[in-house]
Amino acid sequence: KAGVTQTPRYLIKTRGQQVTLSCSPISGHRSVSWYQQTPGQGLQFLFEYFSETQRNKGNFPGRFSGRQFSNSRSEMNVSTLELGDSALYLCASSLGGQGGSNQPQHFGDGTRLSIL
Amino acid sequence: GENVEQHPSTLSVQEGDSAVIKCTYSDSASNYFPWYKQELGKRPQLIIDIRSNVGEKKDQRIAVTLNKTAKHFSLHITETQPEDSAVYFCAASFSKLVFGAGTILRVKS
Repeated sequence: KAGVTQTPRYLIKTRGQQVTLSCSPISGHRSVSWYQQTPGQGLQFLFEYFSETQRNKGNFPGRFSGRQFSNSRSEMNVSTLELGDSALYLCASSLGGQGGSNQPQHFGDGTRLSIL
Repeated sequence: GENVEQHPSTLSVQEGDSAVIKCTYSDSASNYFPWYKQELGKRPQLIIDIRSNVGEKKDQRIAVTLNKTAKHFSLHITETQPEDSAVYFCAASFSKLVFGAGTILRVKS
């Protein structure tokens, strides 16, 4: 079974630009969660999608948004990029159902975003 | 609020010794507690998890214990090997999965 796939692996952007990251979950998994990982803040929850609906949201500004498609693939978008957005963005998939946070989540390799 | 504290932040052990990492969580309603291992430049990998209706779970050299009353859970690694060197994260389920800050484990050979 293929694991969670994230594209692209690396991305370099400049301040003010916007970026879209993609995540394909494990086949059969319907929940996708996104996390930001930085050395100082650890793993911070961004949002979770299940059945094309945002089920939960973390404490990030509205510049961070996401969506999920009918095949469970998910994208996250960051607009008006700031230097502080430089991080590893990880997505994780789980079967879903009643509460994605109560089920094993499996991570992708992440997208390393660098803002110049 | 939803919070997970993890200790220690770094841990050095001699190969063959045991390692213990401890976490406490804030919400007594949490019922799922996974542990992840992240090697340098790689994805976090789920290594073991436990649910609140179980006090202990073991998988070869790895075990996790849960004390619901104290809102405390721990990861135990026995007979450590150099390949156990990594960052370990605990997490607890609230409305979302909340992670501890991580423990850098170094196993010296």
